[in-house]
This record gives sequence, C-alpha cells and structure tokens, in this order.
Amino acid sequence: DAKTTQPPSMDCAEGRAANLPCNHSTISGNEYVYWYRQIHSQGPQYIIHGLKNNETNEMASLIITEDRKSSTLILPHATLRDTAVYYCIVTGYGGATNKLIFGTGTLLAVQP
Amino acid sequence: DTAVSQTPKYLVTQMGNDKSIKCEQNLGHDTMYWYKQDSKKFLKIMFSYNNKELIINETVPNRFSPKSPDKAHLNLHINSLELGDSAVYFCASSQGTSGVYTQYFGPGTRLTVL
Repeated sequence: DAKTTQPPSMDCAEGRAANLPCNHSTISGNEYVYWYRQIHSQGPQYIIHGLKNNETNEMASLIITEDRKSSTLILPHATLRDTAVYYCIVTGYGGATNKLIFGTGTLLAVQP
Repeated sequence: DTAVSQTPKYLVTQMGNDKSIKCEQNLGHDTMYWYKQDSKKFLKIMFSYNNKELIINETVPNRFSPKSPDKAHLNLHINSLELGDSAVYFCASSQGTSGVYTQYFGPGTRLTVL
C-alpha cells in the first residue's frame, strides 16, 4: 500500500502557482519523498525529490515540513500542459530494491 | 533522443495468444522495471532486473516472463493471454537499485486482449 495521502483532485488557474499537498505521516528517517506526474496516456515523469531540505529545480519546488510528515509540491506558474495526475511517493534508501509504490495521486486541472 | 523506448505502442490480440513487449534504454542504467497500469489507473510494479538479474518479482502470474538479454534491454513475454491482462505496461530504468535512484519511464504499451 502507498504510504502517502493526497487529495483526489485540485484546480488551478493558468499562470498561478499550484500547491499540491501530500501527507506521509509514517515516513521513516531514511525515506525520500518523490514526486512524479502522469500526463494523460503518457509514462510517469519524474519531477523532484527530497529527504528533509526544501528542493527546487527547473520544474518545481518541494517543501518538506520540519517533522517530515507532509510536503507540498509547488508549480510556480501552472500552464495548461501541467494538467496531469501528480503522485507523491515515499521510497526507502539502502534496501536491495528500489520499487515505486504509486497511490491514486492528485488530478490537477489547470483552467484557462 | 528517446531515453526509454517500448515497442509496440499498441497491441491488440486474442485470448490465449502469446505476445512480447520490448523495452530499451540508452541511459546507461543498470536497473530496469516493468509496471502495469490497469483500467482503474492503478500503477503497480511487476518486475525489476539489475544487470540482467531478477531482483523484484511482485507475485506476478508465471505466464509473465521477463527476459533481459543485456542491461539495456528488458522484454516482457506473456503466454496464454487473458482478458485481465488488458492494461498499459510501462518500462522504466534507473541507475542502480541499492539506494534511491530516480526512475525514468517509457511511453507505455497499451495491450488489449479480446
């Protein structure tokens, strides 16, 4: 089972920031938070990941709370092409396997 | 350049047939994966190979047999296809496995069993 909880859907106006929350209250100390998205009919696309510090790349920012029990993915200026299902995934470090357990994600609909 | 590619993109076949899906990655990664996304959009891992060695097998029926001729390729062969096998199958790759490595996904193969 997925270790994360996300709202099933969100709307965002084009050009505005999209803030997607994720709850991972059972995260352990060596587990990372990963974000992927899946645009309709395409393969999942990596967005960003982090351990405990906030992270930023060309696609998004990831804000992780100090207790690491929740995080927020921020798309600073959402466009129509950002409409997708966004998955927040907690995955461990140091194990012999590296499998992603996808939940149901958040369907982000960017409105014109 | 396509990083992770899959062929075919669409596959329509009859129940009972045997079919294969091919996956290739040009990222120089050591680990490759197969995921299945069913009609309800749940995405679930099936297999993982690291340097041609099977490391994850998520209780998939033995009608499914992955084969890795080299670390750049991971093919999925399915025997005696059933209606419930209809899904989108995604291949992915990552640099390694004993750690946390970003996985990169292919475009998917939509399998329809009639």
